Amino acid sequence: QLQLQESGPGLVKPSETLSLTCTVSGGSISSSSSHWDWIRQPPGKGLEWIVSMYYSGNTYYNPSLKSRVSISVDTSKNQFSLNLSSVTVADTAVYFCTRRPYGVSYYWFDPWGQGTLVTVSS
Amino acid sequence: DIQMTQSPSSLSASLGDRVTITCRASQSINTYLNWYQQKPGKAPKLLIYAASSLQSGVPSRFSGSGSGTDFTLTISSLQPEDFATYCCQQSYRIPYTFGQGTKLEIK
Repeated sequence: QLQLQESGPGLVKPSETLSLTCTVSGGSISSSSSHWDWIRQPPGKGLEWIVSMYYSGNTYYNPSLKSRVSISVDTSKNQFSLNLSSVTVADTAVYFCTRRPYGVSYYWFDPWGQGTLVTVSS
Repeated sequence: DIQMTQSPSSLSASLGDRVTITCRASQSINTYLNWYQQKPGKAPKLLIYAASSLQSGVPSRFSGSGSGTDFTLTISSLQPEDFATYCCQQSYRIPYTFGQGTKLEIK
């Protein structure tokens, strides 16, 4: 059973870089059938899709965040990571990692990590 | 971006009620529409994909319909564990976008 788990600092200062890692278990991050995505949810608000990557390198960004987002994969650790630079208080949110199927006509997000709250504050 | 608008934003209902939640896309998305359930402090859970396909393990009291711009999620007979927030999501075009959510509360 595929499981995802986010990890990283819960507090980041304004203007600094938010860095989170998602560890995948129960399956390979190099799977040909999966994209790996990050989604966030500000407190009390809706979900916002951030970025999607395929292990071989294809990456898709939300244009609203593209200039500040980078994503990487470590196949040896079965992990993928998110970096969000120049953060402000508006980046305070619960960050989720999730899987999206590859090579199918329809896309959905499943499963999800439990989420990790990142607060941007000085 | 494709805007997803849900109605109502909140809903009170009783155990055993039949409930319908609506999601409207700002442009046609064919049937590229998913529904999720989210409980407080938890990650979203996929219920329905491709507008009407029930995710494995999800009770059959949940159903989805629609195509183009208008979609519905129906719960045929509310159970205690169904009180949660529901949101739709389009997978037609990047950036993938979500509705603002419908909070289902106990009457």
